[in-house]
Amino acid sequence: NAGVMQNPRHLVRRRGQEARLRCSPMKGHSHVYWYRQLPEEGLKFMVYLQKENIIDESGMPKERFSAEFPKEGPSILRIQQVVRGDSAAYFCASSPGGARYEQYFGPGTRLTVT
Amino acid sequence: SQKIEQNSEALNIQEGKTATLTCNYTNYSPAYLQWYRQDPGRGPVFLLLIRENEKEKRKERLKVTFDTTLKQSLFHITASQPADSATYLCALDRGSGGSYIPTFGRGTSLIVHP
Repeated sequence: NAGVMQNPRHLVRRRGQEARLRCSPMKGHSHVYWYRQLPEEGLKFMVYLQKENIIDESGMPKERFSAEFPKEGPSILRIQQVVRGDSAAYFCASSPGGARYEQYFGPGTRLTVT
Repeated sequence: SQKIEQNSEALNIQEGKTATLTCNYTNYSPAYLQWYRQDPGRGPVFLLLIRENEKEKRKERLKVTFDTTLKQSLFHITASQPADSATYLCALDRGSGGSYIPTFGRGTSLIVHP
């Protein structure tokens, strides 16, 4: 029973490029969450999605960031025109029900912007 | 403003002792509270979830209490082992607003000495 999968595990982008982060939830889970974590800081919520729907994007920066969870395939977090401040670990989590359920996290994608 | 406070100083204890970690919060009325473990370079791992109408929950060597009057949760690990060394995060939902997304504290580092 595979857990939450994220790829790539490490991503290096130059300033101005696009970063695409992928997340496959646990089998049977249709709720996906994205978080960002900076060193010495807590996990910051970004967006909560169900299949084909964005439920809550209150933590998502208004510009350059977008997320989707299509009917088929993984959830994608897209960051356009990356800047150095986007360098962080990005974690995806999935849950079997809504937000009041426990979350299962992936290993994260470490994004470095040079 | 809303705050989740976990002790930023590492907790050092001897193997075999009980570790007690604290999570205090202000200006939240959470429906639930969760505890996660995070090892360096890895995603958080779910440990326990306790709901607002529950005072205590146990799982093997772990025990969580939830006092909504004191606005505090205590997380205990009995008979601690060096393998328990990690950062422990508490998370609670934002309550009203509908989406009940968990907000995470910054975590407390636990170091168990052999």
